[in-house]
Amino acid sequence: DAEITQSPRHKITETGRQVTLACHQTWNHNNMFWYRQDLGHGLRLIHYSYGVQDTNKGEVSDGYSVSRSNTEDLPLTLESAASSQTSVYFCASSEERGSYNEQFFGPGTRLTVL
Amino acid sequence: QKEVEQDPGPLSVPEGAIVSLNCTYSNSAFQYFMWYRQYSRKGPELLMYTYSSGNKEDGRFTAQVDKSSKYISLFIRDSQPSDSATYLCAMRSGGYQKVTFGTGTKLQVIP
Repeated sequence: DAEITQSPRHKITETGRQVTLACHQTWNHNNMFWYRQDLGHGLRLIHYSYGVQDTNKGEVSDGYSVSRSNTEDLPLTLESAASSQTSVYFCASSEERGSYNEQFFGPGTRLTVL
Repeated sequence: QKEVEQDPGPLSVPEGAIVSLNCTYSNSAFQYFMWYRQYSRKGPELLMYTYSSGNKEDGRFTAQVDKSSKYISLFIRDSQPSDSATYLCAMRSGGYQKVTFGTGTKLQVIP
């Protein structure tokens, strides 16, 4: 069965370190998204991609970067981790443009920055 | 002002009750409306999807959209303990894949 996976599921790091969160999907979806979820804010879009070599900034992109070298993967990098980036991170993917574009979410990565 | 407003709850109801969850929005460009359900420590999953104003029913769930009032609702009939989760409304403009989510309402159904 097609799926979307994230790794690691839990990560503790220190302020200033570079961290990369992995996202891998086997749906063969062109669209991929990274969100962070915080109490009182819900899901906020960090970066998104509509295909290989395409990346776009979301509403909370400062301090984060992504790259898309193939269809299956969209890794999220925190250049220099800050305590404000402690959060739960979700990756999602969806099909091409159309009236129905359900986003399929991964299980999430819980990141703690000390 | 947020584009999508949703009461975070928590909402606690007895088993069998009718539950009403609501969101308001300010962006008149939103055309597609969704409800996602998120169990604790899991990713959200799509529950309902609507495009036009009016009602859409799926089993015990009814999604209602009122574009003139910029108001959407999710009704759950005969609520079950297994419905205990956080419900997120979501919406997007036509032709774009980006989705704007509400903050989510945490629901607890007491047996």
